[in-house]
Amino acid sequence: AQTVTQSQPEMSVQEAETVTLSCTYDTSESDYYLFWYKQPPSRQMILVIRQEAYKQQNATENRFSVNFQKAAKSFSLKISDSQLGDAAMYFCAYRSGRASELSFGAGTTVTVRA
Amino acid sequence: NAGVTQTPKFQVLKTGQSMTLQCAQDMNHEYMSWYRQDPGMGLRLIHYSVGAGITDQGEVPNGYNVSRSTTEDFPLRLLSAAPSQTSVYFCASSYSSGTYNEQFFGPGTRLTVL
Repeated sequence: AQTVTQSQPEMSVQEAETVTLSCTYDTSESDYYLFWYKQPPSRQMILVIRQEAYKQQNATENRFSVNFQKAAKSFSLKISDSQLGDAAMYFCAYRSGRASELSFGAGTTVTVRA
Repeated sequence: NAGVTQTPKFQVLKTGQSMTLQCAQDMNHEYMSWYRQDPGMGLRLIHYSVGAGITDQGEVPNGYNVSRSTTEDFPLRLLSAAPSQTSVYFCASSYSSGTYNEQFFGPGTRLTVL
């Protein structure tokens, strides 16, 4: 399995502020995909954002954006204008272009302070 | 479209008991998989299937059996439950081909083995 590392077990952010979650991965492949999943207390896994390795442009979905640094094998998630509903566990995940299996990081718990 | 369904949502077993976690999807996805989620470890792949009649092992397959007799169903069997199998189990499905192959997750089963 590919190694995906999330070095921040917990992050706290004030409502309306910005928080950045870090993720690094290890691969020798050139064709792959990266994802951020959100897991609220309901336990449901929700896809937040995704990035193809061959695309240089960073993906953006509303208040969520990524900073994809291919050479550094880094894939951070920025949550802007944080809302109380953003409080959740966030997982970074990797998928090879040749397969369907996902490799997950350990997760980062985000707390939003009102 | 029910998406990916899992039953039961909660289960308590005694050591040595066997049980089957059910997973079904109605999206005609070729690929199905089982993950387990443990604190501090993210989601780890147990078994996966790329189509009816085809299964393979993931990262942590010991103690689990799977079969795929239909496209829709992918049950996970615990042959002789052990306390180390206490975890939250997720089933996921996706198409096998295509750009993103977004994986859709079921709601999870929380299993406790006493």
